[in-house]
Amino acid sequence: EVQLLESGGGLVQPGESLRLSCVVSGFTFSSNAMTMSWVRQAPGKGLEWVSTLSGTSGNTYYADSVKGRFTISRDNSKNTLYLQMNSLRAEDTAIYYCAKALGRYLNNWFDPWGQGTLVTVSS
Amino acid sequence: QSVLTQPPSVSGAPGQRVTISCTGSSSNIGANYDVHWYQQLPGTAPKLLICGNNNRPSGVPDRFSGSKSGTSASLAITGLQAEDEADYYCQSYDSSLSGYVFGTGTKVTVL
Repeated sequence: EVQLLESGGGLVQPGESLRLSCVVSGFTFSSNAMTMSWVRQAPGKGLEWVSTLSGTSGNTYYADSVKGRFTISRDNSKNTLYLQMNSLRAEDTAIYYCAKALGRYLNNWFDPWGQGTLVTVSS
Repeated sequence: QSVLTQPPSVSGAPGQRVTISCTGSSSNIGANYDVHWYQQLPGTAPKLLICGNNNRPSGVPDRFSGSKSGTSASLAITGLQAEDEADYYCQSYDSSLSGYVFGTGTKVTVL
């Protein structure tokens, strides 16, 4: 069974940094076809796509709201996806989910999802 | 602010049929990008319900179906059950934003 487990969330002050991790189990994470994404959900709000790392090209994609501040990466030896978040703002407060991206390029859907990790940015 | 608009809420009695619309534009659904649907039960992570406009992953009951036409898509739930009470989101790609977008979300209430 495919499982994703996020960690690294917590309470930070505006301007600080945080790195989220997503450990993958149940499938071959190092496969070149393994495209992974991060999606977030602010408290009581809807879903927002954050970033995608292509498993075939290695290209990275970001939402405008995080571009230049967040970096997505992976360590195949650790079966782990990361999200480095710098210059955090109050509006970055959310539950962050990692998810496997399936389907054709630009037509990806997300499945499965991890349980999420809560990031709170507040002074 | 999402570029895919959904009704905030829909409701129905057990056994009834409800539909959730997802209205986009020429830069997303109308540009022929696929639409996908997710169900989020209270306090849990989203779960894929429909992929590629109208395909149900293994394990999803056939009470759920998706369709797409023009700049809109719809999710239909037939034979509504109490366990279907959840939030539902559509998702697609937007070429103007160069990224994936989600709908505003719809809360389904079973009366």
